[in-house]
Amino acid sequence: GESVGLHLPTLSVQEGDNSIINCAYSNSASDYFIWYKQESGKGPQFIIDIRSNMDKRQGQRVTVLLNKTVKHLSLQIAATQPGDSAVYFCAETGAGNNRKLIWGLGTSLAVNP
Amino acid sequence: DGGITQSPKYLFRKEGQNVTLSCEQNLNHDAMYWYRQDPGQGLRLIYYSQIVNDFQKGDIAEGYSVSREKKESFPLTVTSAQKNPTAFYLCASSQLDEQFFGPGTRLTVL
Repeated sequence: GESVGLHLPTLSVQEGDNSIINCAYSNSASDYFIWYKQESGKGPQFIIDIRSNMDKRQGQRVTVLLNKTVKHLSLQIAATQPGDSAVYFCAETGAGNNRKLIWGLGTSLAVNP
Repeated sequence: DGGITQSPKYLFRKEGQNVTLSCEQNLNHDAMYWYRQDPGQGLRLIYYSQIVNDFQKGDIAEGYSVSREKKESFPLTVTSAQKNPTAFYLCASSQLDEQFFGPGTRLTVL
């Protein structure tokens, strides 16, 4: 079946280091990808998104890379801070009128001071 | 101040009782969604509505019901048929692809 999955369920980094969270997807027809951050007990918050006609998109301290050849998506966080500690979800939307998001399992990021 | 509100934040119910979770948005979004999240897990889609007076089942619709009588509102009823209703419930809305989430309701069935 079609799915979005994450390579690592947990990631622990030192404060100030760069973090890389990876995501694999299986639907080659997906044309929109999005990353969310979810802090404990709260709803997910939008971080960054990218469409399939792009390979890279940058935001404030975050970069999303899309490799359509190997169906891989990654989120890079520069100079990781304690406030970045959260669960990160990737999601994809397929082409067509049904724009439901297909969610990955999530990666828990822990930032050590 | 635009956004999505969910109420209440915490909800306790006895087993066998139906309970309705509120979701309201003032973003003028056409589409609304309900997700369930269990501890340490991802989001699973319960129901979604792409337009007023229309809704579709998601991946785990059994034991739940919804209505979409107004664009701003998408209430979710957790019925007694839902075998394990204790979870964190998230509502979202969208106009295009990005979904905007409410703060969630934590439902505990005693």
